[in-house]
Amino acid sequence: EVQLSESGGGLVQPGGSLRLSCAASGFAFSNYAMSWVRQAPGKGLEWVSAISGSAGSTYYADSVKGRFTISRDNSKNTLYLQMNSLRAEDTAVYYCAKGSPYSSSGGYFDLWGRGTLVTVSS
Amino acid sequence: EIVLTQSPGTLSLSPGERATLSCRASQSVSSSYLAWYQQKPGQGPRLLIYGASSRATGIPDRFSGSGSGTDFTLTISRLEPEDFAVYYCQQYGNSPRGTFGQGTKVEIK
Repeated sequence: EVQLSESGGGLVQPGGSLRLSCAASGFAFSNYAMSWVRQAPGKGLEWVSAISGSAGSTYYADSVKGRFTISRDNSKNTLYLQMNSLRAEDTAVYYCAKGSPYSSSGGYFDLWGRGTLVTVSS
Repeated sequence: EIVLTQSPGTLSLSPGERATLSCRASQSVSSSYLAWYQQKPGQGPRLLIYGASSRATGIPDRFSGSGSGTDFTLTISRLEPEDFAVYYCQQYGNSPRGTFGQGTKVEIK
């Protein structure tokens, strides 16, 4: 079955760190760029970060640049997001999303996971 | 950054009615790189339309997309009970830094 499954969310204090994982199955993982998209409670969608299929290129939204690091392990079909120096405004459900065919940086997203909730609070 | 504005914020309709959702961009979206997604509570978004008018795999033909430049429309020809959800547009012309609209909620009248 073609699917994405996120894990690693939870409650963390401001300034803390968290590592999210996204396990992919049912498709040739290394052939596609992957992204993280987040959604604050009751709000819309915000693109966070993307990585090319080979992991040779990474991209970040200005709001997370220098604090978050995206990576992937194609041998394990897994995407990661290392989040450091977390702030209250990072509180959101984090989704991993599969990039569209023929796009090295993502394009549109044709497969999404169910998300994992990250809460930053003291 | 291209800003996408969706209207209306909420659409109250009955099953069987036609729904028309608008997405307007602050500047022209290159090559009609515009997508539409459906999101239900507790779920991740689902791709409906890409390239402004191409239906994604498995999407019923009651969903259609149109438009170009700065004005785009998602039409649901006859609402089914499972279509009541929130809909987002996304431009990906400057991928990966694509932006999303704020969403339109389609609710049962």
